[in-house]
Amino acid sequence: AQSVTQPDIHITVSEGASLELRCNYSYGATPYLFWYVQSPGQGLQLLLKYFSGDTLVQGIKGFEAEFKRSQSSFNLRKPSVHWSDAAEYFCAVGSILTGGGNKLTFGTGTQLKVEL
Amino acid sequence: EAQVTQNPRYLITVTGKKLTVTCSQNMNHEYMSWYRQDPGLGLRQIYYSMNVEVTDKGDVPEGYKVSRKEKRNFPLILESPSPNQTSLYFCASSLRDRDSYEQYFGPGTRLTVT
Repeated sequence: AQSVTQPDIHITVSEGASLELRCNYSYGATPYLFWYVQSPGQGLQLLLKYFSGDTLVQGIKGFEAEFKRSQSSFNLRKPSVHWSDAAEYFCAVGSILTGGGNKLTFGTGTQLKVEL
Repeated sequence: EAQVTQNPRYLITVTGKKLTVTCSQNMNHEYMSWYRQDPGLGLRQIYYSMNVEVTDKGDVPEGYKVSRKEKRNFPLILESPSPNQTSLYFCASSLRDRDSYEQYFGPGTRLTVT
């Protein structure tokens, strides 16, 4: 069965500092990988996704993530964090369902706090 | 505007009183799904639907029912809610096209069962 591990429950960074959120997955085939962000009281917004091709993917809001098959990782990075980035971040792996569509398995999330 | 809507956004109810949370999408998506979010557990899939009249269980289906009579709607039914169903619920939809597997999420419904 597929699974996702986000080892950091909470992370605090200073505004302007770089950020890396860790994500490790377990999946038998080529994974479909996603990062979502959830701001307080809001739904989930897709930051970026990896299906195939270039292992470094760019997303919205200046985020990027790198797929490393050998490490089963899909870490999220941002070179300079803004106070508005404070939110909860979820990594997810998608498996293709018979007949189409995909099932997302989420990690437990990483809560990001940004110090001014 | 392309969106997934859920109603109600907040609901407080008592044990055993049947309730329905509605979900509607205007993107003509075939695939729809319900998740619940609990602290420390992330989001877990409850049920999903590939298309009209096609539904299947996710990881945590006990205590829930769904139906898909129309393509745009996918209501979640709790026939006899219990306190352990207190949670934040999200509906999501996506195309079934292999190149379009991004799931779009609704704003969430916070349910409290006392």
